[in-house]
Amino acid sequence: DSGVTQTPKHLITATGQRVTLRCSPRSGDLSVYWYQQSLDQGLQFLIHYYNGEERAKGNILERFSAQQFPDLHSELNLSSLELGDSALYFCASSPNKQGTAGNTIYFGEGSWLTVV
Amino acid sequence: QKEVEQDPGPLSVPEGAIVSLNCTYSNSAFQYFMWYRQYSRKGPELLMYTYSSGNKEDGRFTAQVDKSSKYISLFIRDSQPSDSATYLCAIPSGGGFKTIFGAGTRLFVKA
Repeated sequence: DSGVTQTPKHLITATGQRVTLRCSPRSGDLSVYWYQQSLDQGLQFLIHYYNGEERAKGNILERFSAQQFPDLHSELNLSSLELGDSALYFCASSPNKQGTAGNTIYFGEGSWLTVV
Repeated sequence: QKEVEQDPGPLSVPEGAIVSLNCTYSNSAFQYFMWYRQYSRKGPELLMYTYSSGNKEDGRFTAQVDKSSKYISLFIRDSQPSDSATYLCAIPSGGGFKTIFGAGTRLFVKA
């Protein structure tokens, strides 16, 4: 158990809908990362928050947004969902205070999203 | 060109074999290199990390970095069926604010 908690574990929704994925980082970790993993794209970095502030953005669609709250939990909002958004969404957290080069990140178990 | 390239396999070996997993990267400024292991439908877990060039050993696992050729390797000795998983190389990028992952190599160790 990595200590990173993600909910829900599984989610099935229709195209055009909006969903929110939630993440609680490991105790004491200030950094939260979101990744998307699909069969054809591998593990893709979406966004990184440190202590409530956005630090880095990857290949995140404009239909997607995220935030980190004062209690350090994070939410990933996915809107106007398309079939291609079906994937496993991982949250990860790290103990480092900044984005240091030796950063080790710890992953949650993921949220399976199926868009039908 | 992708920042990190990794052959997705699959790679199938008999139990007890030595396994070699590899990645190449494009940015010569990268200094830290990590290997994650991901079992089916689970989150990736850190296996090993190395800094700069050289080898690092941990039990049956050895991570090797060759910065001159921008090549990183993970060797597994005496492979076991429980080693069957996807292995992903990972490199901190963007000043360390994001970590880039290879595509992952799917490994099957047959009993």
